[in-house]
Amino acid sequence: EVQLVQSGAEVKKPGESLMISCKASGYTFAAYWIGWVRQMPGKGLEWMGIIYPSDSDTRYSPSFQGQVTISADKSTSTAYLHWSSLKASDTAMYYCARAAYVGVWSAFSSWGQGTLVTVSS
Amino acid sequence: EVVLTQSPGTLSLSPGERATLSCRASQSVASNSLAWYQQKPGQAPRLLVYGASSRATGIPDRFSGSGSGRDFTLNINRLEPEDFAVYYCQKYGSSPLTFGGGTKVEIK
Repeated sequence: EVQLVQSGAEVKKPGESLMISCKASGYTFAAYWIGWVRQMPGKGLEWMGIIYPSDSDTRYSPSFQGQVTISADKSTSTAYLHWSSLKASDTAMYYCARAAYVGVWSAFSSWGQGTLVTVSS
Repeated sequence: EVVLTQSPGTLSLSPGERATLSCRASQSVASNSLAWYQQKPGQAPRLLVYGASSRATGIPDRFSGSGSGRDFTLNINRLEPEDFAVYYCQKYGSSPLTFGGGTKVEIK
């Protein structure tokens, strides 16, 4: 069974750094693209970016390019989302999600439970 | 960048009725690489349809997707109480893998 288990909720101050994680199990981690999706309070889904763990090929939405860094560690089957300097506007739920098919961009068939990030002074 | 516009924003229907949700792309979506997701409050999204018309594993056949090019539709026949939720379309054939703004299906 495919499982994506995300790290727990975070409360941070503006300007702080943060890395949240998404640990995968039940499949060959390196073989499937994993993406990150933001959902601000009461709002819709926003695609942030996607990584192919096999070679760390990463693509970002223009809206998030330079704002976050996506990475993956094949040795621990874990994907990461990193901020170097948080803003209050980063307050949101963040989901990781796995593509449905090996090696190609495809619909997200498996989702993590979400990590709530709250940024407040 | 392709923009996906979903309509209506909110659909008020009664259980047993049929829901028709629209997703229009600003440019043609390559290879019908269009998916639909359902999201209930406090839950992660769930994949319903991929490739514009293929139901994901375990999705009831009252959900059906159709369309091609720029215009796509999700139909939900005979709404069940558990179908009242927010629905999103997403294109995934090329970056960015954009989501539409969502349609809320609420109980009338």
